[in-house]
Order: sequence, then C-alpha cells, then structure tokens
Amino acid sequence: DAKTTQPPSMDCAEGRAANLPCNHSTISGNEYVYWYRQIHSQGPQYIIHGLKNNETNEMASLIITEDRKSSTLILPHATLRDTAVYYCIVSDSRLTFGEGTQLTVNP
Amino acid sequence: ETGVTQTPRHLVMGMTNKKSLKCEQHLGHNAMYWYKQSAKKPLELMFVYSLEERVENNSVPSRFSPECPNSSHLFLHLHTLQPEDSALYLCASSHSGRAYWNEQFFGPGTRLTVL
Repeated sequence: DAKTTQPPSMDCAEGRAANLPCNHSTISGNEYVYWYRQIHSQGPQYIIHGLKNNETNEMASLIITEDRKSSTLILPHATLRDTAVYYCIVSDSRLTFGEGTQLTVNP
Repeated sequence: ETGVTQTPRHLVMGMTNKKSLKCEQHLGHNAMYWYKQSAKKPLELMFVYSLEERVENNSVPSRFSPECPNSSHLFLHLHTLQPEDSALYLCASSHSGRAYWNEQFFGPGTRLTVL
C-alpha cells in the first residue's frame, strides 16, 4: 500500500471548515483513499472514501487532486465533537493505519 | 453506537490467566477483524475472518487465539500473555466483498492490562 503523509496536528475554530490534508504521492491506480477518525477512548469511525472523483456524504467531503497524489478531507462546519485523530489510508487491500492528524476544534 | 459491541470493556489479568474477549455485531456483516492498539503506536491488524473462515493471521503469537463461531460473533482467547500485550483490542466488522471490506465498523474496544 502507498505511504501517506499527514500533519501531526491541526487546530480549527468551532463552526469553521476543517481542511485536513494528506499526501500520497506513490498511490497506484487501483488504490482507494479512505478516511477514518478516532475520538479519544473510542474505536475508529469510517468517514468516507474515494478513488478518483470527489465524494461527499453527511459527514464530510473528500477532494482528490487530478493526479491523485494528494487529497483533502473537509468537515464543513466543525464542532467540538469533531475533535479526534483523523487517519488517511491508501489501500487496495487491507487498512493500514498510520499516526494520523490530531484535529482539535476550539470554542 | 456502531452496531458492534465488545465485552468486557476493561480487563486486568495476570500472566498465567486465561481469558476471552467477545465481539458481537448486529449489522448483518460477514467479515470480522481483530486489531491491537498499543500506547503511542498505530492500530495493527491481527486477524481477519470472512464468512467464518480465518483468512488472515498477521504473525500474531499463538498466545492469542481467535474464534469465529458464526458471522455475528468473534472471540479472542488469551493465555499466558506478557505485560507488553497490554493494549486496546478493537473488533470491527464489514461486508466481505472486496468493494466493502475497508468500510469497517469498529466496536469501542477492550482495554487490557497484563500484570
């Protein structure tokens, strides 16, 4: 699976959009981009995934660049409950979790 | 609530004890997973069951023994563990088709402490 690079931490103001970047420059053609998050003391939670096209669901939007070498997860109106570690995973087989980005949403 | 439950939520055991972790999913999935999350380390996939057959064992020591009696239940039997096995053990489930197996639903985990 391709390696991903995420910033270790980010801050966001409550009510603002949170934009979480992920670099995956070695992604191959059949690998999907998955996003999960893990709120403290809970199990990970699936957010969204995509291959080439941008995706949106009730939780977030996923923007994948045309060359697929990077992506951004967008939480349109962050709340305090969105404070969590966010994992970007690139895979065509099993999930391999990295260190993720600790997003802190501040009041 | 994710539809995946795990019991117990917390477990303290000695190195000579035998205990079991239980996972149950109410989502109609037919693939189940065990992960280990040690302090300051990423989640590690331990075992994968698909349609009640073990399809992956990621070099896990034999002191961890999984069991999947049906598609809704998954156990992890523990014996003669070491202190370094102390971790959060997470269960997950998904549909078994390749298009779905990475859309996993996780339980809350069992916090295991080995003394």
